Amino acid sequence: KQEVTQIPAALSVPEGENLVLNCSFTDSAIYNLQWFRQDPGKGLTSLLLIQSSQREQTSGRLNASLDKSSGRSTLYIAASQPGDSATYLCAVEDTGRRALTFGSGTRLQVQP
Amino acid sequence: NAGVMQNPRHLVRRRGQEARLRCSPMKGHSHVYWYRQLPEEGLKFMVYLQKENIIDESGMPKERFSAEFPKEGPSILRIQQVVRGDSAAYFCASDLGGANTEAFFGQGTRLTVV
Repeated sequence: KQEVTQIPAALSVPEGENLVLNCSFTDSAIYNLQWFRQDPGKGLTSLLLIQSSQREQTSGRLNASLDKSSGRSTLYIAASQPGDSATYLCAVEDTGRRALTFGSGTRLQVQP
Repeated sequence: NAGVMQNPRHLVRRRGQEARLRCSPMKGHSHVYWYRQLPEEGLKFMVYLQKENIIDESGMPKERFSAEFPKEGPSILRIQQVVRGDSAAYFCASDLGGANTEAFFGQGTRLTVV
């Protein structure tokens, strides 16, 4: 059974810092890994999707990497801004199963 | 091009009542997924449907919960005889189907059982 873990559970940084969020998964047989953002009381916004054959994806100040063999992904946020404050969720789609397995998230607070 | 639409956004039910949650997928999407987010927990998969078919219901509680996605109209998640433990945010997602397609989520329905 796939399990997804995110570290740290919470993070508070001053504006302008570069930061790294970590995600690990127990079963490497995945189709892809997605990073989402969730604002309080809101839905999920997809940030990046990395297919199992890819090593990284970039969108603006965000860069996500995937090391499938070791079961790890990182989300790198450059030059953080207060508007980046949210919960960041990592989710994997297992091979042969369409459902996503989510981590419990990293709650990020960027101080102005 | 509207995204995934869920309604209602907030729903209050007394214990023992029924709750009906609706989800209209993104235009062109025929695959719908329901997830539940309990307070202070991550999202947990409940059920995966295509039009008129339940594909995977391995995450659905065995009793009181059912889901459908009819040929016409939205997908419905139905919870009968609600209990306080059903209080949660219920999210719907849709995609085009096939591996490696991006899932898009709705804003969720927040169910409170009093």
